[in-house]
Amino acid sequence: EDQVTQSPEALRLQEGESSSLNCSYTVSGLRGLFWYRQDPGKGPEFLFTLYSAGEEKEKERLKATLTKKESFLHITAPKPEDSATYLCAVQANFGNEKLTFGTGTRLTIIP
Amino acid sequence: EAGVAQSPRYKIIEKRQSVAFWCNPISGHATLYWYQQILGQGPKLLIQFQNNGVVDDSQLPKDRFSAERLKGVDSTLKIQPAKLEDSAVYLCASSLDHWEGRYGYTFGSGTRLTVV
Repeated sequence: EDQVTQSPEALRLQEGESSSLNCSYTVSGLRGLFWYRQDPGKGPEFLFTLYSAGEEKEKERLKATLTKKESFLHITAPKPEDSATYLCAVQANFGNEKLTFGTGTRLTIIP
Repeated sequence: EAGVAQSPRYKIIEKRQSVAFWCNPISGHATLYWYQQILGQGPKLLIQFQNNGVVDDSQLPKDRFSAERLKGVDSTLKIQPAKLEDSAVYLCASSLDHWEGRYGYTFGSGTRLTVV
């Protein structure tokens, strides 16, 4: 069974203080690893898809990287508006290609 | 383009009552998903439709949950009878097809269900 573990559960940073969120996964053949952002009271918002080890994607202050066992979401010089829950999900090559999500990291950026 | 529409936004019911949620996916999206998100957890897939056929309902509690997608467009998810543990946000998502990865799945804002 596909599994996704995210750490830490919660992270508080000062504005401008860079850090990384971790997503460890086990899947029977990775089709893609997804990062989503979720604000309170809203559905997840798509950020990135990574397909193979060594791949990197960037968007503003966020950069996602992928290895064979884990993915990192690096946040550089965050701003208060980056506060949200960040969800990681995997999609397998086999079966119905559903997304299996982790429990998320709740990020708070303090002004 | 318009996003995934869901209604209602909030619903409070007593246990053993029934409730229904509605979802209208992005126009042209063949695949539709219903996810359950319990507070503090990640979304869990309940059912996946490809057009109007069910692809995966292995995690749907079929003794109380049912879902349909008539004409391959709108979908409804029903719970009857509801239990306290059904309190959660029910998210609908859609994608062009089940292999779509480049743009991810598009989620609606969800329906927050509270069972008392």
